[in-house]
Amino acid sequence: DAGITQSPRHKVTETGTPVTLRCHQTENHRYMYWYRQDPGHGLRLIHYSYGVKDTDKGEVSDGYSVSRSKTEDFLLTLESATSSQTSVYFCAIKDRGKDSPLHFGNGTRLTVT
Amino acid sequence: GQQLNQSPQSMFIQEGEDVSMNCTSSSIFNTWLWYKQDPGEGPVLLIALYKAGELTSNGRLTAQFGITRKDSFLNISASIPSDVGIYFCAGPLARGAQKLVFGQGTRLTINP
Repeated sequence: DAGITQSPRHKVTETGTPVTLRCHQTENHRYMYWYRQDPGHGLRLIHYSYGVKDTDKGEVSDGYSVSRSKTEDFLLTLESATSSQTSVYFCAIKDRGKDSPLHFGNGTRLTVT
Repeated sequence: GQQLNQSPQSMFIQEGEDVSMNCTSSSIFNTWLWYKQDPGEGPVLLIALYKAGELTSNGRLTAQFGITRKDSFLNISASIPSDVGIYFCAGPLARGAQKLVFGQGTRLTINP
């Protein structure tokens, strides 16, 4: 296990409510990522972070925001959840070497009703 | 943007059979990665390829970095029940990029 903890593991929420997912790492890795996984789409990058307070958008960032105030924590926030954001969300971490692989957490299953 | 296309999308095989799957792109990739995802878990790296033409094995798994740098292949020999899962190819969006793009996945089902 690469020392990544995602919380919660499961969440059901209503449309229009705010939701925050947390990713915590114990590896002191510089890079952290949020992906979503949907059938037929594989894993798509939402946002990533290359250091404390340094973040950038991925390919499906609309409707999501992130924050990284400490090296070990990367938060993903849905300001106003929509049904299209029902998905499985994965956090990943990566060391700074360009050929270092991504290590994934076990995911958060989010259902927006 | 860059996309990776995996084929086939799903496979149903008998235990003991060999498996082949591939990943193609319209763009050149300088690194190819193959991940496997077990149910309820995050993807785990199986094999990493860094040079065109490279052939790398990990137990019963063998992956190749295509000569054109626009494709990669993963083979599994003598499949066993624990090979069941979703296999993803992935690559960095640009040389040295820290962001990965993933294929849609190949779902492997094995009949005992």
